[in-house]
Amino acid sequence: NAGVTQTPKFQVLKTGQSMTLQCAQDMNHEYMSWYRQDPGMGLRLIHYSVGAGITDQGEVPNGYNVSRSTTEDFPLRLLSAAPSQTSVYFCASSYGAVLAKNIQYFGAGTRLSVL
Amino acid sequence: RKEVEQDPGPFNVPEGATVAFNCTYSNSASQSFFWYRQDCRKEPKLLMSVYSSGNEDGRFTAQLNRASQYISLLIRDSKLSDSATYLCVVNTGANNLFFGTGTRLTVIP
Repeated sequence: NAGVTQTPKFQVLKTGQSMTLQCAQDMNHEYMSWYRQDPGMGLRLIHYSVGAGITDQGEVPNGYNVSRSTTEDFPLRLLSAAPSQTSVYFCASSYGAVLAKNIQYFGAGTRLSVL
Repeated sequence: RKEVEQDPGPFNVPEGATVAFNCTYSNSASQSFFWYRQDCRKEPKLLMSVYSSGNEDGRFTAQLNRASQYISLLIRDSKLSDSATYLCVVNTGANNLFFGTGTRLTVIP
């Protein structure tokens, strides 16, 4: 199993450009999520999904869109990139979020710079 | 107030030392608790879940104090390979996980 795969690993955008960060998992996990990690802020939840066709906002959703058309894929879209979105983005998946047994498996991350 | 707060460190300890980290959480309804480990420029990985009765995994011991709303991680006989950032993670009962900013540990030869 590949686990959680994120692409690209690095990306540089200009302000106002759009792009999609890809995330795929092959563990048949229902729960998938996107986080951003900034110095001194820890990981913050952007959006999450509890299953195909269902998405919801996390702590910092503004400026990002998601969709979940399949169990495997959970892309994150930046419609108009801003310098404040410069960060490291992690996708994660698990069987669920609430129970102690629900281990989050993270992708390797995407380092995004917005100029 | 942040949902989860950790001392950022850094903690610099010699090999073989015992080191403890604490983490406090603000939501008394929080249901599940975890410690994750993150190496430099890598993704977080689960170190251990934290159970109400406390739990141990080799050199690592996790404790939960619901009354005072904190969790702790104790590392005994520190190894060089333990050098990393340790993230405290709390689930508040909904589908939200809250991460602490992490505590950085460096084990010195």
